[in-house]
Amino acid sequence: ETGVTQTPRHLVMGMTNKKSLKCEQHLGHNAMYWYKQSAKKPLELMFVYSLEERVENNSVPSRFSPECPNSSHLFLHLHTLQPEDSALYLCASSRTRSLSGELFFGEGSRLTVL
Amino acid sequence: GENVEQHPSTLSVQEGDSAVIKCTYSDSASNYFPWYKQELGKRPQLIIDIRSNVGEKKDQRIAVTLNKTAKHFSLHITETQPEDSAVYFCAANLPGTASKLTFGTGTRLQVTL
Repeated sequence: ETGVTQTPRHLVMGMTNKKSLKCEQHLGHNAMYWYKQSAKKPLELMFVYSLEERVENNSVPSRFSPECPNSSHLFLHLHTLQPEDSALYLCASSRTRSLSGELFFGEGSRLTVL
Repeated sequence: GENVEQHPSTLSVQEGDSAVIKCTYSDSASNYFPWYKQELGKRPQLIIDIRSNVGEKKDQRIAVTLNKTAKHFSLHITETQPEDSAVYFCAANLPGTASKLTFGTGTRLQVTL
């Protein structure tokens, strides 16, 4: 196992709901990432945290709100989402945020917005 | 920014045959090129990577080649097996922003018996 766990694995929510995705890594890594995976599209980087500081925000709508309380945990808070936000949301970690090394992914949270 | 194109989008080969997936990138300053494999319902996992100071790298049945002049890199799988069936993603780093990898759109490889 890669040591990156995500919960929940599946989530169905209405457009007015508020929910959160959780990611946890036990690898001692310093960087954590949220990616969005949609059908027939490249993996899209959403947010990067390095040592609990947000270092990247790829023009993601404000209805997605990340939180990194410590180097092992990463959350993605969701509110007033749209149906087009339905996708697989992947969390990843790496030893540092220098991308000369491996990304370790979680198994993803499959989100469906009704 | 960096743009990575990946072909083909789907590939079907018979068990034992070879499979080749090709990617091109736009930024000549890119220097790190990983390949990830994602089995159905599973997480993407790194299978091989190459840096711009080498032209080829092998790991058992998997090899990656890099042509910096033409700005393309390829994944080669020999003696394919059913367990090689998955979606394969190439990626290239975006220089100057150490946290960004640009991924290709993926290739769905099906190995048939």
